[in-house]
Amino acid sequence: DQQVKQNSPSLSVQEGRISILNCDYTNSMFDYFLWYKKYPAEGPTFLISISSIKDKNEDGRFTVFLNKSAKHLSLHIVPSQPGDSAVYFCAASAWQNFVFGPGTRLSVLP
Amino acid sequence: NAGVTQTPKFRVLKTGQSMTLLCAQDMNHEYMYWYRQDPGMGLRLIHYSVGEGTTAKGEVPDGYNVSRLKKQNFLLGLESAAPSQTSVYFCASSYEGRQAASWSGGYTFGSGTRLTVV
Repeated sequence: DQQVKQNSPSLSVQEGRISILNCDYTNSMFDYFLWYKKYPAEGPTFLISISSIKDKNEDGRFTVFLNKSAKHLSLHIVPSQPGDSAVYFCAASAWQNFVFGPGTRLSVLP
Repeated sequence: NAGVTQTPKFRVLKTGQSMTLLCAQDMNHEYMYWYRQDPGMGLRLIHYSVGEGTTAKGEVPDGYNVSRLKKQNFLLGLESAAPSQTSVYFCASSYEGRQAASWSGGYTFGSGTRLTVV
C-alpha cells in the first residue's frame, strides 16, 4: 500500500493561471516533505521543502502548504509557465529516507 | 561541475546476466542513494550509503548489491538480472542526511540509467 499518494496522474493548466498539485500521505510519523520536478530523460530536481513545524513555505512562484490533520500537502505554482510542464513528485520522510509518490504530470498550455 | 553522473545511460541485458551501474559525484557528498522508478510508482529506494565504506538496505534491496569503496562512487550490481528489474535507475547524493539540523533539503539526482532485461 502506497504511503504517499498523488491521485491525479495528470493536470493541464493555462499559462498564467495557478497550478495546484496535491499529495496525500498515510504515515503520521512523516515530518518532512519535499517536492521535485522531473523533465523527460533527466533526473528529478529539488523544488521546495516543508517541515511539519510549518504549514506553509514559499519560494518565488512556488508555495507548499501542509495540512497535518488531513495528512495532505499541496504545491501551488503561480503564475504557471510553459517551462513548468514536467512531472512533479512529492516525497515524505519520518527519519532518514524519503518515500516518493507516483508523480503528477503537469502540462501548462500557452 | 558535473554533479551526479551515471553510466551507462542505457543497457539491455539478457535474463541471468550480470552488470554494474556506476554513480559518481564530485560534490564531496557523504550520502548516496540508488532508486528505481517504475510506471505508476514513485521512486523506490534500493540501497543507500551514509559514507565511504558503508551501505544499507532500502525499501526494495532484493536482487541488488552495492559498494561504496570510494566516497565519490556508489556502485549498484545486479548479479543475475531478471525481467522484473527492468526499470529506470536513479542515483542521488546529499551532503548530509535529513536528520542533520542544518539540512537544507533535497538530493541531487543523476539523469538515470534505463535498463531493460529480456
